[in-house]
Amino acid sequence: GAGVSQTPSNKVTEKGKYVELRCDPISGHTALYWYRQSLGQGPEFLIYFQGTGAADDSGLPNDRFFAVRPEGSVSTLKIQRTERGDSAVYLCASSKGTTYNEQFFGPGTRLTVL
Amino acid sequence: AQSVSQHNHHVILSEAASLELGCNYSYGGTVNLFWYVQYPGQHLQLLLKYFSGDPLVKGIKGFEAEFIKSKFSFNLRKPSVQWSDTAEYFCARPRGGNTGKLIFGQGTTLQVKP
Repeated sequence: GAGVSQTPSNKVTEKGKYVELRCDPISGHTALYWYRQSLGQGPEFLIYFQGTGAADDSGLPNDRFFAVRPEGSVSTLKIQRTERGDSAVYLCASSKGTTYNEQFFGPGTRLTVL
Repeated sequence: AQSVSQHNHHVILSEAASLELGCNYSYGGTVNLFWYVQYPGQHLQLLLKYFSGDPLVKGIKGFEAEFIKSKFSFNLRKPSVQWSDTAEYFCARPRGGNTGKLIFGQGTTLQVKP
Protein backbone atom coordinates (compact mmCIF):
# COMPACT_ATOMS: atom_id res chain seq x y z
CA GLY A 1 0.00 0.00 0.00
CA ALA A 2 0.96 3.64 -0.16
CA GLY A 3 3.43 4.89 2.38
CA VAL A 4 3.71 8.25 4.06
CA SER A 5 4.02 11.03 1.53
CA GLN A 6 5.32 14.55 2.02
CA THR A 7 5.14 17.58 -0.20
CA PRO A 8 7.03 19.42 -1.41
CA SER A 9 10.19 17.33 -1.48
CA ASN A 10 12.27 20.49 -1.57
CA LYS A 11 11.42 24.02 -0.56
CA VAL A 12 13.66 27.02 -0.93
CA THR A 13 12.49 30.24 0.64
CA GLU A 14 13.82 33.56 1.77
CA LYS A 15 14.35 34.62 5.33
CA GLY A 16 11.18 36.04 6.79
CA LYS A 17 8.78 34.17 4.52
CA TYR A 18 6.01 31.78 5.55
CA VAL A 19 6.07 28.11 4.53
CA GLU A 20 3.74 25.15 4.78
CA LEU A 21 4.86 21.56 4.66
CA ARG A 22 2.35 18.80 4.07
CA CYS A 23 2.24 15.22 5.32
CA ASP A 24 -0.12 12.53 4.10
CA PRO A 25 0.04 9.57 6.50
CA ILE A 26 -0.76 5.94 5.85
CA SER A 27 -4.50 5.44 5.73
CA GLY A 28 -5.88 4.37 9.09
CA HIS A 29 -2.90 5.51 11.12
CA THR A 30 -4.16 7.57 14.02
CA ALA A 31 -0.80 8.77 15.30
CA LEU A 32 1.23 11.30 13.34
CA TYR A 33 4.62 12.73 14.23
CA TRP A 34 6.75 15.56 12.91
CA TYR A 35 10.53 15.48 13.33
CA ARG A 36 13.29 17.77 12.15
CA GLN A 37 16.67 16.49 11.04
CA SER A 38 19.63 18.81 10.75
CA LEU A 39 22.76 17.83 8.87
CA GLY A 40 24.77 15.22 10.72
CA GLN A 41 22.15 14.74 13.42
CA GLY A 42 19.41 12.30 14.19
CA PRO A 43 15.79 13.37 13.84
CA GLU A 44 14.43 15.55 16.65
CA PHE A 45 10.83 15.33 17.75
CA LEU A 46 8.63 18.36 17.08
CA ILE A 47 4.98 17.47 17.58
CA TYR A 48 2.68 14.48 17.89
CA PHE A 49 -0.97 14.12 16.93
CA GLN A 50 -3.38 11.48 18.07
CA GLY A 51 -6.36 11.91 15.77
CA THR A 52 -7.07 15.58 15.22
CA GLY A 53 -5.53 16.95 18.38
CA ALA A 54 -1.93 17.83 19.09
CA ALA A 55 -1.27 15.54 22.01
CA ASP A 56 2.26 16.80 22.54
CA ASP A 57 3.87 19.86 20.97
CA SER A 58 6.75 20.09 23.41
CA GLY A 59 9.34 19.77 20.65
CA LEU A 60 8.30 22.84 18.69
CA PRO A 61 11.25 25.23 19.00
CA ASN A 62 9.21 28.43 19.33
CA ASP A 63 5.89 30.02 18.47
CA ARG A 64 6.83 30.50 14.82
CA PHE A 65 6.12 26.81 14.37
CA PHE A 66 2.61 25.45 14.29
CA ALA A 67 0.99 22.29 12.98
CA VAL A 68 -2.56 21.17 12.31
CA ARG A 69 -4.36 17.99 11.46
CA PRO A 70 -7.97 19.12 11.09
CA GLU A 71 -9.56 15.89 9.90
CA GLY A 72 -7.28 13.40 11.59
CA SER A 73 -5.45 12.51 8.41
CA VAL A 74 -3.33 15.02 6.48
CA SER A 75 -1.18 17.32 8.58
CA THR A 76 0.42 20.64 7.75
CA LEU A 77 3.46 22.06 9.50
CA LYS A 78 3.52 25.83 9.27
CA ILE A 79 6.56 28.01 9.85
CA GLN A 80 6.21 31.78 10.08
CA ARG A 81 8.98 34.32 9.59
CA THR A 82 11.47 31.67 8.57
CA GLU A 83 15.07 31.98 9.72
CA ARG A 84 18.22 30.47 8.25
CA GLY A 85 18.44 28.19 11.27
CA ASP A 86 15.16 26.56 10.24
CA SER A 87 16.93 24.94 7.30
CA ALA A 88 16.68 21.18 7.77
CA VAL A 89 14.85 18.10 6.56
CA TYR A 90 11.38 17.90 8.07
CA LEU A 91 10.20 14.33 8.51
CA CYS A 92 6.72 13.05 9.07
CA ALA A 93 5.90 9.62 10.47
CA SER A 94 2.67 7.81 11.20
CA SER A 95 1.73 4.74 13.18
CA LYS A 96 -1.33 2.73 14.10
CA GLY A 97 -0.98 3.64 17.75
CA THR A 98 1.71 4.89 19.99
CA THR A 99 4.57 3.40 21.91
CA TYR A 100 4.49 -0.18 20.73
CA ASN A 101 3.81 0.43 17.10
CA GLU A 102 6.32 0.98 14.35
CA GLN A 103 6.51 4.49 12.98
CA PHE A 104 6.59 4.68 9.21
CA PHE A 105 8.52 7.65 7.90
CA GLY A 106 7.99 9.75 4.83
CA PRO A 107 10.77 10.90 2.52
CA GLY A 108 10.95 14.30 4.16
CA THR A 109 10.86 17.88 2.94
CA ARG A 110 14.21 19.59 2.62
CA LEU A 111 13.72 23.22 3.64
CA THR A 112 16.37 25.75 2.73
CA VAL A 113 16.05 29.28 4.04
CA LEU A 114 18.27 31.74 2.20
CA ALA B 1 15.91 13.14 30.52
CA GLN B 2 16.16 9.97 28.55
CA SER B 3 18.79 9.88 25.86
CA VAL B 4 20.48 7.69 23.30
CA SER B 5 24.09 7.95 22.19
CA GLN B 6 25.95 6.50 19.28
CA HIS B 7 29.70 6.76 19.52
CA ASN B 8 30.69 5.59 16.06
CA HIS B 9 29.89 8.42 13.70
CA HIS B 10 31.51 7.08 10.56
CA VAL B 11 32.46 3.48 9.93
CA ILE B 12 34.18 2.15 6.83
CA LEU B 13 34.29 -1.58 6.18
CA SER B 14 35.12 -3.90 3.33
CA GLU B 15 32.51 -6.33 2.10
CA ALA B 16 32.24 -9.51 4.17
CA ALA B 17 33.61 -7.79 7.26
CA SER B 18 31.64 -8.06 10.48
CA LEU B 19 29.77 -5.05 11.78
CA GLU B 20 29.02 -3.80 15.26
CA LEU B 21 27.56 -0.33 15.82
CA GLY B 22 27.32 0.94 19.34
CA CYS B 23 24.22 2.35 21.00
CA ASN B 24 23.93 3.30 24.65
CA TYR B 25 20.79 4.49 26.36
CA SER B 26 20.28 6.39 29.56
CA TYR B 27 18.82 4.86 32.68
CA GLY B 28 15.19 5.36 33.41
CA GLY B 29 11.72 4.54 32.21
CA THR B 30 10.52 1.64 30.20
CA VAL B 31 13.24 0.51 27.86
CA ASN B 32 12.01 0.11 24.32
CA LEU B 33 14.75 0.37 21.72
CA PHE B 34 14.83 0.63 17.94
CA TRP B 35 17.33 0.64 15.14
CA TYR B 36 16.36 2.55 12.01
CA VAL B 37 18.25 2.65 8.72
CA GLN B 38 18.29 5.26 5.98
CA TYR B 39 19.68 4.09 2.66
CA PRO B 40 20.94 6.78 0.28
CA GLY B 41 18.01 8.64 -1.21
CA GLN B 42 15.45 6.68 0.78
CA HIS B 43 13.39 7.31 3.87
CA LEU B 44 14.00 5.98 7.35
CA GLN B 45 12.87 2.42 7.86
CA LEU B 46 12.79 0.12 10.86
CA LEU B 47 15.51 -2.53 11.09
CA LEU B 48 14.53 -4.07 14.39
CA LYS B 49 13.04 -3.33 17.78
CA TYR B 50 13.27 -4.52 21.36
CA PHE B 51 10.41 -4.25 23.84
CA SER B 52 10.88 -7.18 26.20
CA GLY B 53 11.72 -10.87 26.25
CA ASP B 54 14.66 -12.36 24.40
CA PRO B 55 17.48 -9.79 24.55
CA LEU B 56 18.80 -10.92 21.18
CA VAL B 57 16.60 -9.40 18.54
CA LYS B 58 16.71 -10.31 14.89
CA GLY B 59 15.70 -7.85 12.23
CA ILE B 60 15.56 -7.55 8.50
CA LYS B 61 18.45 -8.11 6.10
CA GLY B 62 20.46 -10.25 8.51
CA PHE B 63 20.83 -7.60 11.21
CA GLU B 64 20.54 -8.35 14.90
CA ALA B 65 20.95 -6.43 18.12
CA GLU B 66 21.56 -7.46 21.69
CA PHE B 67 20.01 -5.69 24.65
CA ILE B 68 22.48 -5.77 27.55
CA LYS B 69 20.82 -4.19 30.56
CA SER B 70 23.97 -4.13 32.70
CA LYS B 71 25.79 -2.11 30.06
CA PHE B 72 22.84 0.06 28.98
CA SER B 73 23.64 -1.02 25.45
CA PHE B 74 21.79 -2.12 22.36
CA ASN B 75 24.49 -2.68 19.76
CA LEU B 76 23.65 -3.52 16.18
CA ARG B 77 25.49 -6.40 14.54
CA LYS B 78 25.79 -8.15 11.21
CA PRO B 79 28.25 -11.00 10.64
CA SER B 80 29.07 -10.12 7.02
CA VAL B 81 28.23 -6.76 5.46
CA GLN B 82 27.45 -6.13 1.82
CA TRP B 83 27.97 -3.04 -0.29
CA SER B 84 24.19 -2.54 -0.19
CA ASP B 85 24.39 -2.02 3.58
CA THR B 86 25.94 1.39 2.96
CA ALA B 87 23.55 3.68 4.81
CA GLU B 88 23.03 5.76 7.90
CA TYR B 89 21.95 3.91 11.02
CA PHE B 90 20.05 5.40 13.94
CA CYS B 91 19.36 4.03 17.37
CA ALA B 92 16.21 5.36 19.05
CA ARG B 93 13.97 5.01 22.08
CA PRO B 94 10.63 6.52 23.09
CA ARG B 95 11.06 9.76 24.99
CA GLY B 96 8.73 8.77 27.76
CA GLY B 97 5.08 8.41 28.59
CA ASN B 98 2.93 6.58 26.11
CA THR B 99 3.06 8.92 23.15
CA GLY B 100 5.66 7.01 21.20
CA LYS B 101 7.72 10.08 20.31
CA LEU B 102 11.24 8.94 19.63
CA ILE B 103 14.64 10.20 20.72
CA PHE B 104 17.27 9.39 18.14
CA GLY B 105 21.00 9.03 18.45
CA GLN B 106 23.27 11.11 16.26
CA GLY B 107 23.51 8.35 13.69
CA THR B 108 26.34 6.28 12.27
CA THR B 109 27.26 6.48 8.64
CA LEU B 110 28.37 3.09 7.37
CA GLN B 111 30.33 2.92 4.16
CA VAL B 112 30.97 -0.55 2.75
CA LYS B 113 33.67 -0.79 0.13
CA PRO B 114 33.15 -3.41 -2.59
